[in-house]
Amino acid sequence: DGGITQSPKYLFRKEGQNVTLSCEQNLNHDAMYWYRQDPGQGLRLIYYSQIVNDFQKGDIAEGYSVSREKKESFPLTVTSAQKNPTAFYLCASSMAGNQPQHFGDGTRLSIL
Amino acid sequence: GQQLNQSPQSMFIQEGEDVSMNCTSSSIFNTWLWYKQDPGEGPVLLIALYKAGELTSNGRLTAQFGITRKDSFLNISASIPSDVGIYFCAGLYGASGTYKYIFGTGTRLKVLA
Repeated sequence: DGGITQSPKYLFRKEGQNVTLSCEQNLNHDAMYWYRQDPGQGLRLIYYSQIVNDFQKGDIAEGYSVSREKKESFPLTVTSAQKNPTAFYLCASSMAGNQPQHFGDGTRLSIL
Repeated sequence: GQQLNQSPQSMFIQEGEDVSMNCTSSSIFNTWLWYKQDPGEGPVLLIALYKAGELTSNGRLTAQFGITRKDSFLNISASIPSDVGIYFCAGLYGASGTYKYIFGTGTRLKVLA
């Protein structure tokens, strides 16, 4: 089946630790995105990539990093610089920047 | 910056009733999207709207792209228990190479059987 796969479903981070969230898509989409969702808030854009080997900061990029070495993969690293990382993280992809985005099932990150 | 106001924030309705929700902004958008999110899952695309005035249906769901391009509406007819969830609107702005979607804060729908 075509779709977007995020892993793991649940992730726990210790103080001072970097963690990486995986996002893979087999839809042959050019654009990929990472959002953060907090209770009662809309989705906030962390990073996005319109094409392989290129990405831009979104509205809340501080404390996060990404790479886009392959078209189908867009991993997100939550660094120790992100002081409030507890949230639900959603990855999305689209055929192009102006096309509808399709989402994975999310990763819930918590702090130990 | 861009901002979307989605209302109502939450609503309780009886099974079988019709539901209406909307998103408004002071900014103009090129595309409107409507999503539904179940607890612990990612949002699922329900309807996409591309032209001012466009009216599109998906089963019991109907959405409209406002004439001013600053708002959009979603209606659900004859609600059923599985309609429970959070409904998000999203508006597209920007130009080629800088397109972004901004999301509303969601309408939480609860259906009473």
